Amino acid sequence: DTGVSQDPRHKITKRGQNVTFRCDPISEHNRLYWYRQTLGQGPEFLTYFQNEAQLEKSRLLSDRFSAERPKGSFSTLEIQRTEQGDSAMYLCASSLITGGGNEQFFGPGTRLTVL
Amino acid sequence: SQQGEEDPQALSIQEGENATMNCSYKTSINNLQWYRQNSGRGLVHLILIRSNEREKHSGRLRVTLDTSKKSSSLLITASRAADTASYFCAGSQGGSEKLVFGKGTKLTVNP
Repeated sequence: DTGVSQDPRHKITKRGQNVTFRCDPISEHNRLYWYRQTLGQGPEFLTYFQNEAQLEKSRLLSDRFSAERPKGSFSTLEIQRTEQGDSAMYLCASSLITGGGNEQFFGPGTRLTVL
Repeated sequence: SQQGEEDPQALSIQEGENATMNCSYKTSINNLQWYRQNSGRGLVHLILIRSNEREKHSGRLRVTLDTSKKSSSLLITASRAADTASYFCAGSQGGSEKLVFGKGTKLTVNP
């Protein structure tokens, strides 16, 4: 399967712990995005990378959140000192720069539950 | 904040019927995309329509875009039980590549 993959699929943690999620984009895609989705809502943008450069960050991305894409391939999203409000589905997407539009291909998501 | 508003929030139809979902958005967009999400799963890209296009077809899907009214519609013809999912519209604006999603329409197709 050459789609976007995310690991882990589920994470349960206690408040105050740190968690890290990984996303592997479609191999030739140079853009990678992180979104967060809570129940009954559409995804909300967190940040995106073009190759290894982080080009845009949402104000939703507090200083407890950090994302990296060190070699322009996979990406990690770390949440420090988790809070119950961080419980959500974290979605990763990738796309390829073309002149035709920005179709983003999503992974299955990582569901985070903070107890 | 979310750019799009889908209407209705929920829709229940019988297999074989057509389903129409609408999306209104607040600011100018470069293009508008529709995605499907099965319960608890990732999103699947359905179709992209550019701001200079008015209508686009893909299989049983038909999307329209009215930039003067800042609205779009998604029509699914001859619906199937497998079409049961949430449908989201999403737009990108200006020089940003991020997508801004609506809250979605939850479609149930009864066999």
